[in-house]
Amino acid sequence: AQSVTQLDSQVPVFEEAPVELRCNYSSSVSVYLFWYVQYPNQGLQLLLKYLSGSTLVESINGFEAEFNKSQTSFHLRKPSVHISDTAEYFCAVSASNQGGKLIFGQGTELSVKP
Amino acid sequence: GAGVSQSPRYKVAKRGQDVALRCDPISGHVSLFWYQQALGQGPEFLTYFQNEAQLDKSGLPSDRFFAERPEGSVSTLKIQRTQQEDSAVYLCASSDGVSFFGYTFGSGTRLTVV
Repeated sequence: AQSVTQLDSQVPVFEEAPVELRCNYSSSVSVYLFWYVQYPNQGLQLLLKYLSGSTLVESINGFEAEFNKSQTSFHLRKPSVHISDTAEYFCAVSASNQGGKLIFGQGTELSVKP
Repeated sequence: GAGVSQSPRYKVAKRGQDVALRCDPISGHVSLFWYQQALGQGPEFLTYFQNEAQLDKSGLPSDRFFAERPEGSVSTLKIQRTQQEDSAVYLCASSDGVSFFGYTFGSGTRLTVV
């Protein structure tokens, strides 16, 4: 079975500051890794994903995440946040033999203050 | 269609009432997933279809929950004799079944049981 732990439930940060949202997972088989973002009263949107290849993956809006197999982590980072990044962020894993079933963490609420 | 469509957007049910939630996946997507997202929590897997076959229903919380996809397209999640703990957002997602290409979530149905 797989599990995901998001280590921070809330992360307050000032605009233009860097941010890291932490995600650790456990699994006995190889996994795919994802970050989703959920803006207030909206659905889940895929931010970025790691399926294979380069361990550093990037999104179009400046976020990046690095797959670290030895530390079983997939932390999300952004060097300079904007007010518009305020949202709930979910880390998720899927085992390669599970047909696409996603296991989500509890979420991290990112609050960007001016 | 262009995205995953769920209806109704909001549903208020009296305790003990039966409800039916509909999901229209992206045209041609063979895989369809249902998730339950309680307030302040990450989504939790309920069930998974590949075409009309329900391949995994391990996440359905009780025998009051039932899902079907009779023609391999539209899916319905039915909850019988609703209880207050069923209050949540029910999310549907679809994909082409190949390496998470096009894995897309709908906006969800918010069910409130009173």
